[in-house]
Amino acid sequence: ETGVTQTPRHLVMGMTNKKSLKCEQHLGHNAMYWYKQSAKKPLELMFVYNFKEQTENNSVPSRFSPECPNSSHLFLHLHTLQPEDSALYLCASSQDRGTALTYEQYFGPGTRLTVT
Amino acid sequence: AQSVAQPEDQVNVAEGNPLTVKCTYSVSGNPYLFWYVQYPNRGLQFLLKYITGDNLVKGSYGFEAEFNKSQTSFHLKKPSALVSDSALYFCAVRDYSGAGSYQLTFGKGTKLSVIP
Repeated sequence: ETGVTQTPRHLVMGMTNKKSLKCEQHLGHNAMYWYKQSAKKPLELMFVYNFKEQTENNSVPSRFSPECPNSSHLFLHLHTLQPEDSALYLCASSQDRGTALTYEQYFGPGTRLTVT
Repeated sequence: AQSVAQPEDQVNVAEGNPLTVKCTYSVSGNPYLFWYVQYPNRGLQFLLKYITGDNLVKGSYGFEAEFNKSQTSFHLKKPSALVSDSALYFCAVRDYSGAGSYQLTFGKGTKLSVIP
């Protein structure tokens, strides 16, 4: 256990559905991240939140909408996805401020998303 | 921008033999380097990091990595491979993404297979 949980672990959705992925970190970290991992492609950073403020959006299509209501929770809202969006979506957190900074990121187990 | 390269898609090693997974980096300034491991259908697990100090860094599960500034390398090593070490290994470098936030930039990964 890394202290980062993700739900659901598996999700199958049609292209017209709306669903949300949830991430929670129990580490007291200040930053949270969404990554996409597709087969045979490098890990892609999607969004970065620092103290609940979005600080990075790597040209992600608007059908992916992140939400960070507090520094422990991160959501990824999905709507009208395409089959090529099928992938493993990973959440991570880190502490990169203050006296407890660690630099490394801790990852959740991921949500395996299949778009039909 | 910072980057890392993993020149080998796959490494095969016999159980009990030493293993090396290669990583080279390109950074401006001092590098902050990391190794992660990923087992099938799981998130990434942090193994070790180099921030400063001794060039030989020890991490989890008997892994270590050697930081070599002149060769801009950060190879992952283990003296005696186990079948359970078979997994996907990622090298990463810390990069500043703006607005006071940092991100990890990952290599494409190296699949390690330990043969009984």
